[in-house]
Amino acid sequence: NAGVTQTPKFRILKIGQSMTLQCTQDMNHNYMYWYRQDPGMGLKLIYYSVGAGITDKGEVPNGYNVSRSTTEDFPLRLELAAPSQTSVYFCASSYQDRAGYTFGSGTRLTVV
Amino acid sequence: AQSVTQLDSQVPVFEEAPVELRCNYSSSVSVYLFWYVQYPNQGLQLLLKYLSGSTLVKGINGFEAEFNKSQTSFHLRKPSVHISDTAEYFCAVSEFDDKIIFGKGTRLHILP
Repeated sequence: NAGVTQTPKFRILKIGQSMTLQCTQDMNHNYMYWYRQDPGMGLKLIYYSVGAGITDKGEVPNGYNVSRSTTEDFPLRLELAAPSQTSVYFCASSYQDRAGYTFGSGTRLTVV
Repeated sequence: AQSVTQLDSQVPVFEEAPVELRCNYSSSVSVYLFWYVQYPNQGLQLLLKYLSGSTLVKGINGFEAEFNKSQTSFHLRKPSVHISDTAEYFCAVSEFDDKIIFGKGTRLHILP
């Protein structure tokens, strides 16, 4: 059982480039989330989804976009990368909030 | 609105000594409470959770936490720590099936 799989693990982007961070889960969870983690700041919610075709903004959505065409996949798109987007990105899923979340292993992104 | 405060950003503890990581939350309604652990270069893993019932919750790796409603606290404890407990620990709160909000984390340093 793979759980939540994130790719790539590491990436270096130049300012202004775009990329998609992939997230796939095989637990048939309806709820999926994208967080960014910066040192000493905890986790900030970027976007979330409560099911296929439904997405909503979190605390820090600017500069990002998401889509949820299937239950399994929840890609995060960065358009026009900026140094402020240098961070570690985590995808998570759950079948309901009270169950707690299952996290992927993260993508470490550096924008130079 | 709900929020979580982890009072210590870093906690150094000698190996085999007891440890307490402090967490306070604010909310006007009933909440679910969680502790997650993040080992170096990994994603977050659920340690334990409080949903209802007994205020003393036991989790994995010998950790436990006590819910104190009057003090709005959910402190994490372990009677004897090991080098392998070196990690960052996140307290989190969810207001009755709403999204989980994470604290900023506490780094646990185990001293030999």
